[in-house]
Amino acid sequence: QSVLTQPPSASGTPGQRVTISCSGSSPNIGSNYVYWYQQVPGTAPKLLIHRDNQRPSGVPDRFSGSKSGTSASLAISGLRSEDEADYYCAAWDDSLNVVFGGGTKLTVL
Amino acid sequence: QVQLQESGPGLVKPSQTLSLTCNVSGDSIRSDNYFWSWIRQHPGKGLEWIGYIYYSGRAYYNPSLKSRVTISIDTPENHFSLKLNSVTAADTAIYYCARGERANFDSWGQGTLVTVSS
Repeated sequence: QSVLTQPPSASGTPGQRVTISCSGSSPNIGSNYVYWYQQVPGTAPKLLIHRDNQRPSGVPDRFSGSKSGTSASLAISGLRSEDEADYYCAAWDDSLNVVFGGGTKLTVL
Repeated sequence: QVQLQESGPGLVKPSQTLSLTCNVSGDSIRSDNYFWSWIRQHPGKGLEWIGYIYYSGRAYYNPSLKSRVTISIDTPENHFSLKLNSVTAADTAIYYCARGERANFDSWGQGTLVTVSS
């Protein structure tokens, strides 16, 4: 069981806006930055959002992150077929551990 | 642009030691800006942080694996390594090396599957 809780699946049609939630607690999301990763099946994860809501160079502005209290969200607007992937949230936990969510499989219908 | 590449045996017998190396190119492992990490993913499952190391040799480990894990760094060779001892089938996973720390991993290797089986 993962320390951070994500829905196992999400879906949307091309052009739609989809959000993926990530729920944690005070020692992790409540006290530290949240990061989001995109993993296309068969490939390594890719950093999508850092420091709660910052996009690394090269990540489209269709991807955005937000955080409130002990929960965070990833939003994908203008959904495209190539966005079909697994998405993971992650945070540092004050117990001196990196914790991940269980992942959300995004299907583009 | 930094590139990371894992190498090591793809099959390890139960109770033995899993050993992997991550070769880094395009960046100096001596950079004081970064930690160097190991992360694994059980087949069809989520991600699990194993630990990371700074160029000084200071390492930090996942508390659940700490008793079995050693991460070391070789600055002249620009690589870092993972040793996980007393492995069982539960250690079968894709092992990734990555640059970064505190959940911020900005570059990843392609990953290497390690199977624990007799």
